[in-house]
Amino acid sequence: EVQLVQSGAEVKKPGESVKISCEGSGYTFTKYWIAWVRQMPGKGLEWMGIIYPGDFDTRYSPSFQGQVTISVDKSISTAYLQWSSLKASDTAIYFCARVLVRHGLDVWGQGTTVTVSS
Amino acid sequence: DIQMTQSPSSVSASVGDRVTITCRASQGISGWLAWYQLKPGKAPKLLIYAASNLQGGVPSRFSGSGSGTDFTLTISSLQPEDFATYYCLQADTFPYTFGQGTILEIK
Repeated sequence: EVQLVQSGAEVKKPGESVKISCEGSGYTFTKYWIAWVRQMPGKGLEWMGIIYPGDFDTRYSPSFQGQVTISVDKSISTAYLQWSSLKASDTAIYFCARVLVRHGLDVWGQGTTVTVSS
Repeated sequence: DIQMTQSPSSVSASVGDRVTITCRASQGISGWLAWYQLKPGKAPKLLIYAASNLQGGVPSRFSGSGSGTDFTLTISSLQPEDFATYYCLQADTFPYTFGQGTILEIK
């Protein structure tokens, strides 16, 4: 079974850093892009960026360029999303998903809630 | 980036009703559009890919159509479990972009 399993919820203070993870299984991890999607409280889905584990090619949506870092450790089939200095506005649910090019996102992680509050 | 305009933003309907949601792209995306269902506390669920292809396991009351810039998602006979939020996603050009979402509420 193809699965993406994300790390648990995080509660942080403004200015702190955090790195959340997304582990893939049941498929060849290096052959599919992984996307990160944000859902802020009461808001819609936003495309943040993608990474191709095979060659580390990474592309950010303009709104998120410079705000987050997407990375991958293909030896453990895991993608990451990290912040170096969180803001309260980063409070959201973050989903990872497998990308089928031209077909969209077919398999999703369960979501990771990041709460940033002083 | 390609902008996706989804309408309506919300709709109230009853069990058994037929509902149609539309999505318009700011430029042509051929048939590269997907539709998702999102319920609170759950991951989005892929319903339709490439505009009109039903994802495995999705009930046949869901259907999609369109090409170029205009697309529709139709639910032919609403069931109680269909009340959720629906999003379109253009999958033509990175960055892929979502519509703003349509909340489907019980009347």
